[in-house]
Amino acid sequence: DQQVKQNSPSLSVQEGRISILNCDYTNSMFDYFLWYKKYPAEGPTFLISISSIKDKNEDGRFTVFLNKSAKHLSLHIVPSQPGDSAVYFCAASEVLLGVNSGGSNYKLTFGKGTLLTVNP
Amino acid sequence: EPEVTQTPSHQVTQMGQEVILRCVPISNHLYFYWYRQILGQKVEFLVSFYNNEISEKSEIFDDQFSVERPDGSNFTLKIRSTKLEDSAMYFCGSGEYEQYFGPGTRLTVT
Repeated sequence: DQQVKQNSPSLSVQEGRISILNCDYTNSMFDYFLWYKKYPAEGPTFLISISSIKDKNEDGRFTVFLNKSAKHLSLHIVPSQPGDSAVYFCAASEVLLGVNSGGSNYKLTFGKGTLLTVNP
Repeated sequence: EPEVTQTPSHQVTQMGQEVILRCVPISNHLYFYWYRQILGQKVEFLVSFYNNEISEKSEIFDDQFSVERPDGSNFTLKIRSTKLEDSAMYFCGSGEYEQYFGPGTRLTVT
């Protein structure tokens, strides 16, 4: 049951150019989306997120776009640098507030990841 | 910058043995998580923990798994009787909308 799909297992771009990583989801109840970056033998590192009430969020070289009607989000990296080479994971959550003893659920569902290689 | 830490980085155990994976979440966070990634597969949610109890768990998190916050800083995942298919990277996380992860523990069950 792939609720979050990253259909491109790999992407190669030249240094200085734009990298565009794509992610599709099927669960219309997802309302918060995140991108993580992962180097080998390390844990996922949070990059940027977006709430379903927005369509764009920008942080430095990273911009995430959300198209709710298409159930699609993308991560743009401009300009790409060799140090950006890593696996990028898209993740989504259906946030349920106050469901357990006043607590909430923020469980993340991950895509399979896209290996980005930025060539010098 | 605060970070999540995990120990050990690599654990090798025999099938049927108990293992405890340890984590120190970010100190002012209230929600804690365990996820795992089997080689070549997705990162999968196991369990979330809030206010000293499990707030959600996945189908993977059966009776062989348990979590505990034994003191004010540590958060542990115990697997009572390990199976070969438990071999994976286990990531501890903390946070709410945005979750921050540790470097992981590679568990190898032989």
